[in-house]
Amino acid sequence: KQEVTQIPAALSVPEGENLVLNCSFTDSAIYNLQWFRQDPGKGLTSLLLIQSSQREQTSGRLNASLDKSSGRSTLYIAASQPGDSATYLCACDPGGSYIPTFGRGTSLIVHP
Amino acid sequence: KAGVTQTPRYLIKTRGQQVTLSCSPISGHRSVSWYQQTPGQGLQFLFEYFSETQRNKGNFPGRFSGRQFSNSRSEMNVSTLELGDSALYLCASSLVTGGSDTQYFGPGTRLTVL
Repeated sequence: KQEVTQIPAALSVPEGENLVLNCSFTDSAIYNLQWFRQDPGKGLTSLLLIQSSQREQTSGRLNASLDKSSGRSTLYIAASQPGDSATYLCACDPGGSYIPTFGRGTSLIVHP
Repeated sequence: KAGVTQTPRYLIKTRGQQVTLSCSPISGHRSVSWYQQTPGQGLQFLFEYFSETQRNKGNFPGRFSGRQFSNSRSEMNVSTLELGDSALYLCASSLVTGGSDTQYFGPGTRLTVL
């Protein structure tokens, strides 16, 4: 059974810092991995999707990497802003029958 | 293009009742997935529908069911509500199947069971 762990559970940083969020998974046989953002009381917004054949994806100040062999993915946020404050979740898709496993998320606060 | 919409946004029910939640996907999207999010269990997959057929189902009891209509709109039903069913229910749509495409989530329905 796939288990997805996100560390740290919470993070508070000053504006402007570069930061890294971690996602680890126990079963490396994944089809893809997605990073999402969730604002309080709202749905999820997809940030980046990395196919299993890819090593990284970039969108603006965000960069996500995937290392299947070590069961790890990282989300790098450059020059953080208060608007980045949210919970960030990663989800692993095992392929075949799509039953994704989500991590519990990292709650990020960026203070001015 | 309008996003994923869910109705109602908030719902209060009592134990033993049943509830139906609705989800309208983005126009052109054929896959709709449902999730339950609670503080204790996090985000858990309920089921996925594609072209009116349930393709995948998570590990939830039979009280949880769903369906998809020909216009891709989807409903989920929970019968004999229990206190533990209180949660944020999210639906997500994607162009083809949820796994290979980016999923777009709705704002969720907050269900409270008293």
